[in-house]
Amino acid sequence: DVVMTQSPLSLPVTLGQPASISCRSSQSLVYSDGDTYLNWFQQRPGQSPRRLIYKVSNRDSGVPDRFSGSGSGTDFTLKISRVEAEDVGVYYCMQGTHWITFGQGTRLEIK
Amino acid sequence: EVQLVESGGGLVQPGGSLRLSCAASGFTFSSYTMNWIRQAPGKGLEWVSTISSRSNIYYADSVKGRFTISRDNAENSLYLQMNSLRAEDTAVYYCVRDAVGSHFDYWGQGTLVAVSS
Repeated sequence: DVVMTQSPLSLPVTLGQPASISCRSSQSLVYSDGDTYLNWFQQRPGQSPRRLIYKVSNRDSGVPDRFSGSGSGTDFTLKISRVEAEDVGVYYCMQGTHWITFGQGTRLEIK
Repeated sequence: EVQLVESGGGLVQPGGSLRLSCAASGFTFSSYTMNWIRQAPGKGLEWVSTISSRSNIYYADSVKGRFTISRDNAENSLYLQMNSLRAEDTAVYYCVRDAVGSHFDYWGQGTLVAVSS
């Protein structure tokens, strides 16, 4: 199984400051069709997960442009340019290239 | 508007059975791959099962042989029959749609399954 490793697991951030979450896979996530199936999800407290980013860097409809995804191969990053109070929650990366596995989650909190 | 509404969760004894349902609306259900994903209390996300639009079926090793996924396109519904339930199956179960060409674009609100004596 492909292992997805996120860091940090806890991320205290000051409002208005940037935040960055790393996600590393144990194998390359480039699929035979040339796409890389790496998604990012946000789960706010008490809510269902919500997809933010798909295929590394594509923002879902309605997702603020302060969220961005980047990376390739085995190393990926989710960046929030300026953290807002509504960004509090747990963020998960997920790979869909070698079946499906999720990262452990990164808990973002406001300092 | 895409909506996924799960039901059927509850408290069940170890070894018991439960059937989860997911009512879908706002899209052409028959055209989409559907999934069940679960989240144990205070834990992360775990993929459980997938059924494609053509009813190709896949299971996580942890549930294979005990859980059965199915769909009724006429009723716009997804199901998960869970047998031989164990304490470690305790989780919120989410019904999740696959987008065309990507995974997990819409999630339901979840239904809680608690396995305990």
